[in-house]
Amino acid sequence: EAGVVQSPRYKIIEKKQPVAFWCNPISGHNTLYWYRQNLGQGPELLIRYENEEAVDDSQLPKDRFSAERLKGVDSTLKIQPAELGDSAVYLCASSPRAAQNSYNEQFFGPGTRLTVL
Amino acid sequence: AQKVTQAQTEISVVEKEDVTLDCVYETRDTTYYLFWYKQPPSGELVFLIRRNSFDEQNEISGRYSWNFQKSTSSFNFTITASQVVDSAVYFCALSEVGGSEKLVFGKGTKLTVNP
Repeated sequence: EAGVVQSPRYKIIEKKQPVAFWCNPISGHNTLYWYRQNLGQGPELLIRYENEEAVDDSQLPKDRFSAERLKGVDSTLKIQPAELGDSAVYLCASSPRAAQNSYNEQFFGPGTRLTVL
Repeated sequence: AQKVTQAQTEISVVEKEDVTLDCVYETRDTTYYLFWYKQPPSGELVFLIRRNSFDEQNEISGRYSWNFQKSTSSFNFTITASQVVDSAVYFCALSEVGGSEKLVFGKGTKLTVNP
């Protein structure tokens, strides 16, 4: 079974430029997550989708960040314009539908390492 | 608020030594899940274990073992007879039950196993 696919793996841009990351979750997984991992830190959730609905975007900096999951499968995370502090690894994860009061494991992709110069 | 603390930033051992990675957590929830993930240099987070807060039994899987102590809010991870391939960053994480399923991660412990 294919894992979570992310592209590109690496991206270097100059500040104020736009950038976009793409994620293809594991087939059949309805929940999709975007995390940001700063250097030397653990990942932090940016946004969570249930199918095409963003159910938790409380930690997404909405002035410059946007995300979409139009058909409830692939997702794109965009930053416009990028700032120096956005340099980080952006991780996508997916999980299958969870039964009530249970938990389904999140499967992570390899991440996109963004460097903003 | 939920919080996970991994006080050890970096650990270096020689192959075949045993090593314990510490994890202390804070939560107001009465039920929650605890996790350990491994992040090798390739960057992908690899799931190692999930533990429900109701289950305080220690678990052993090959060279890996986990000690969950609710009384001290700790969920420590021990690697027995470490190997070079164990070199990675290890993250402890916490999630509430039946809620957002948001994982709250610690800052990670970088383990280096030298030959």
